[in-house]
Amino acid sequence: NAGVTQTPKFRVLKTGQSMTLLCAQDMNHEYMYWYRQDPGMGLRLIHYSVGEGTTAKGEVPDGYNVSRLKKQNFLLGLESAAPSQTSVYFCASWGLVSGDEQFFGPGTRLTVL
Amino acid sequence: SQQGEEDPQALSIQEGENATMNCSYKTSINNLQWYRQNSGRGLVHLILIRSNEREKHSGRLRVTLDTSKKSSSLLITASRAADTASYFCATDPNDYKLSFGAGTTVTVRA
Repeated sequence: NAGVTQTPKFRVLKTGQSMTLLCAQDMNHEYMYWYRQDPGMGLRLIHYSVGEGTTAKGEVPDGYNVSRLKKQNFLLGLESAAPSQTSVYFCASWGLVSGDEQFFGPGTRLTVL
Repeated sequence: SQQGEEDPQALSIQEGENATMNCSYKTSINNLQWYRQNSGRGLVHLILIRSNEREKHSGRLRVTLDTSKKSSSLLITASRAADTASYFCATDPNDYKLSFGAGTTVTVRA
């Protein structure tokens, strides 16, 4: 039981490049989330999903797209990276049978030059 | 916008001392949760308190909630070096989304 995993762990991009971050969970959770964490600002919700095939915008969705084609996977895409997207990205999941806590992945540290 | 705000931003204590941090929030909630983040790691759930509860204990952790003041406190008793981490409160307004504060960084000195 791996919990929530994220790929990759680190990435450096140039401005304008694109990339996809992958989040996978093996707990059969319905809900999945993408957050970004910047120094002194805590976690801010980018997008989330309440089930396979559904996505919704969070607090800071601009510049990001997401997809949830399979229940266990939640992808975060950056189509044209900007230096303002330099951050640590966390994925989380939550299930109806797991109480009210969210389970977090280890994070992806992204630097955009 | 972020719902919760922790206070203080940083805290340095001696091993064995207690650490107290506070969280204030703005809107009504279903529950309030505290998470810990060790440097460079993901968040780990510590404890949850529901809106109809006033106090909850888990091991060396004690959480209080005052819904009239929209505030919560987390007390860590008999701190250890391993408690060095950032602590975040997160509020759940019952829409399956958490709103996190900026966190309190706790350093426990040996």
